[in-house]
Amino acid sequence: QVQLQESGPGLVKASQTLSLTCSVSGGSISSGGYYWSWIRQHPGKGLEWIGYIFYSGSTNYNPSLKSRVTISVDTSKNQFSLKLSSVTAADTAVYYCAIDRYNASSGHAYFNSWGQGTLVTVSS
Amino acid sequence: DIQMTQSPSSLSASVGDRVTMTCRASQSIRRYLNWYQQKPGKAPELLIYAGYSLESGVPSRFSGSGSGTDFTLTISSLRPEDFATYYCQQSYSTPRTFGQGTKLEIK
Repeated sequence: QVQLQESGPGLVKASQTLSLTCSVSGGSISSGGYYWSWIRQHPGKGLEWIGYIFYSGSTNYNPSLKSRVTISVDTSKNQFSLKLSSVTAADTAVYYCAIDRYNASSGHAYFNSWGQGTLVTVSS
Repeated sequence: DIQMTQSPSSLSASVGDRVTMTCRASQSIRRYLNWYQQKPGKAPELLIYAGYSLESGVPSRFSGSGSGTDFTLTISSLRPEDFATYYCQQSYSTPRTFGQGTKLEIK
């Protein structure tokens, strides 16, 4: 089972850039059929998909965040990263990295592995 | 974006009860629907994918059904460890979207 672990600052100042890294263990980030994803959860609220990256570098972002989001992959380190620019208090949330496992034959996809999540607080 | 609406938003039940919760999509998503369980302070865990397929290791008391726009998650006989929040999520298109959750509480 592939395991994921988020890391990065837990406190970011407003207007700055939030940066998180997800380290992948137990498998290769270059494996096909996986979309390496970021999802966030505002305190006491539901889940919001931020976007994903394929190991080749192709990305897909939530239009609501697209202008501020960059997801990148480092296959040599078996990691992928999230950058969210110009943060405000509304970006305070628990950020999860997750695997969106995609079955090419059926077209189905599902988040079958998640990191433990990391709380990022935006301060003024 | 496809909107996912879950009902009820909260549900009280007792150990041993049979419980059903629903998820409705704003347009047809065929069977591209997944269910997750989340306990406080933990990441969500996959229960059901593709509408009704049980994820490996998930107890058989969990089942999913539906297609098109209307889906249900049923727990046949509640156990104490099932009290949690349940989310549906569509994988028909991007952006991936989740329902707002159904919180299952002990009566």
